[in-house]
This record gives sequence, C-alpha cells and structure tokens, in this order.
Amino acid sequence: GESVGLHLPTLSVQEGDNSIINCAYSNSASDYFIWYKQESGKGPQFIIDIRSNMDKRQGQRVTVLLNKTVKHLSLQIAATQPGDSAVYFCAENISNRDDKIIFGKGTRLHILP
Amino acid sequence: EADIYQTPRYLVIGTGKKITLECSQTMGHDKMYWYQQDPGMELHLIHYSYGVNSTEKGDLSSESTVSRIRTEHFPLTLESARPSHTSQYLCASSEWPGQGDNSPLHFGNGTRLTVT
Repeated sequence: GESVGLHLPTLSVQEGDNSIINCAYSNSASDYFIWYKQESGKGPQFIIDIRSNMDKRQGQRVTVLLNKTVKHLSLQIAATQPGDSAVYFCAENISNRDDKIIFGKGTRLHILP
Repeated sequence: EADIYQTPRYLVIGTGKKITLECSQTMGHDKMYWYQQDPGMELHLIHYSYGVNSTEKGDLSSESTVSRIRTEHFPLTLESARPSHTSQYLCASSEWPGQGDNSPLHFGNGTRLTVT
C-alpha cells in the first residue's frame, strides 16, 4: 500500500507486504529529517534519520527516501509485520538555526492479517 | 530501551491547581525538550534546553515554565491548570553534537494530564 498526497491518516497493509508512508515537509531550508514510530501508550521511538546531502538511507527492514526537489520524504517498511502497527511521524529540522525539530501529522499503519 | 523517565504516568487534577511534571534522563544528554500531544495528533514543542541553566520557549510556552538546574532533570510546571491543558506531555532528550549538527530525540512515555 502507499499513501499519497499531503497526509493520509490511516494506511492499511496486508501482513508481509511492503508499506510506504509519505510525508511532505514544509521548509526548503530543512536539512535533517527523522522518522518516528509511536505505539499506543508510548512515546515516539526513533526509526531512522537522513541528512539533506543524501537521498536514500537504509536500516533494518526500513528505507528512507528524500526528494528535496519536491520536499518529499518517504518511509518504506519491508515485509510488514503485526508489530509494525503504530502511528508514524516524520520530523524536520533546520541546522544552524534554532534547533527546533518540527513534527508532521502522523499516519496510522494498520496491518491486515 | 530509552533511559528517560517521566512521572507521574497519569494525573487528574482540578482547575486552578499548580502542577509539576517530572522528567529525568540518565544518558547525559545536553538537550532536553517538552512536547504536547493530543491523541494521534502531531507533537507541539513547548520548551527546550541546550544544557544547565538554558531554557528556550517553543510554540506553546506561554502557560508553563521549565527549569534546568541539573543536566539530567527538566521539570515542567503549569502554574494554574485549566481544562484546555488536558493532553499528553512528552519529554525528550538528545545529544548535542554542536551548532549546525543534529541527533535524534529519545522520548519518555509521557504524562497523561486531565484537568477537570
């Protein structure tokens, strides 16, 4: 499954399929981007980050893609598992400014059995 | 596992009361933050700190104060609680590699505040 557009509150994906969660960030000066996973009743958990001098970074089962031309960030989760059910947030930061990390609206990932 | 702790986990309090939400981290991180989050919604920055004796205002800071007397401790105080303060409050910390560099935030599990 894939979410498109500025924000999709919920994304439903079949277990075992790949998930793609999209994020449109707001500031062209942002140069550091982070994806967080938040499970119910817990604080956000760091997944992966990427700096603006890169367009792709891979972690364990996750890949982040950055397209600075259209200010778009995506998180790909391979072979989605039930434990991936959570709300996913992207966040952006501008270095050399006020060090504020700005969070986007989350996307809830729902895994279908 | 995150080494950042928030207490209390849940708090129900009446309007007009003064409350302090506690946050401690054992990672030796210089930077600490407070965010407010309504269920399923984005996080809004309330206050942050670069280190001891440093406090900075975020976007929602006008009704609360923070202090940073020790590196590991960053309490948030609401002088007079109102029903509009009902929300989840998340504390976070991060390393500070230096000006112009970044590192990810590590979050606590939050305090769920209800003001009646």
